[in-house]
Amino acid sequence: EIVLTQSPGTLSLSPGERATLSCRASQSVSSRYLAWYQQKPGQGPRLLIYGTSSRATGIPDRFSGSASGTDFTLTISRLEPEDFAVYYCQQYGSSPLYTFGQGTKLEIK
Amino acid sequence: QVQLQESGPGLVKPSGTLSLTCAVSTDSISRSNWWSWVRQPPGKGLEWIGEIYHSGSTNYNPSLKSRVTISVDKSKSQLSLKLSSVTAADTAVYFCARTGEYSYAYGYWGQGTLVTVSS
Repeated sequence: EIVLTQSPGTLSLSPGERATLSCRASQSVSSRYLAWYQQKPGQGPRLLIYGTSSRATGIPDRFSGSASGTDFTLTISRLEPEDFAVYYCQQYGSSPLYTFGQGTKLEIK
Repeated sequence: QVQLQESGPGLVKPSGTLSLTCAVSTDSISRSNWWSWVRQPPGKGLEWIGEIYHSGSTNYNPSLKSRVTISVDKSKSQLSLKLSSVTAADTAVYFCARTGEYSYAYGYWGQGTLVTVSS
């Protein structure tokens, strides 16, 4: 099973700052099959990034994704008030077919 | 815009069977997409339960496989989940979701429904 480890567990920042969220895979993950989601309380997750670096429809360009080996990164260039939420990475392809990271909570400092 | 809406009993007794449905609107459940169930225990992360293709092919999480059945009712345009022999560890918000336009990422999610396992 591929384990995705997200860090930090909680990130405290202010609006306008840059956020860098990490997702490390325990084994190789195809860049085609790594995605990032945002979840707010009481809601289902919202797809932000798929294929490591492609933005889903309607996602602002302040959200970007990148990778280096088994390390994947979600960057939010300038935080807006609505960006404070929990973020999950997800991989497809290894049994179980889908696994998620444990999440990073982005909170207002 | 694809809409997914989960429904079912909010309370299930231990050792019983959890049964949920997901109504699919503004989309065809017969299209070439995988339809999935994902759950989230209160205050915790997301766990993939399994998926079904419109043809009826299924894939399940090995940790739940012996207790899970996912099915599709095309006439009702809905997806179903059955989880047997439930315990308190199965208490969670259950989501249905769909892949498709974004490779194997879930572009569409329901709002989720909370199921509590308790006597």
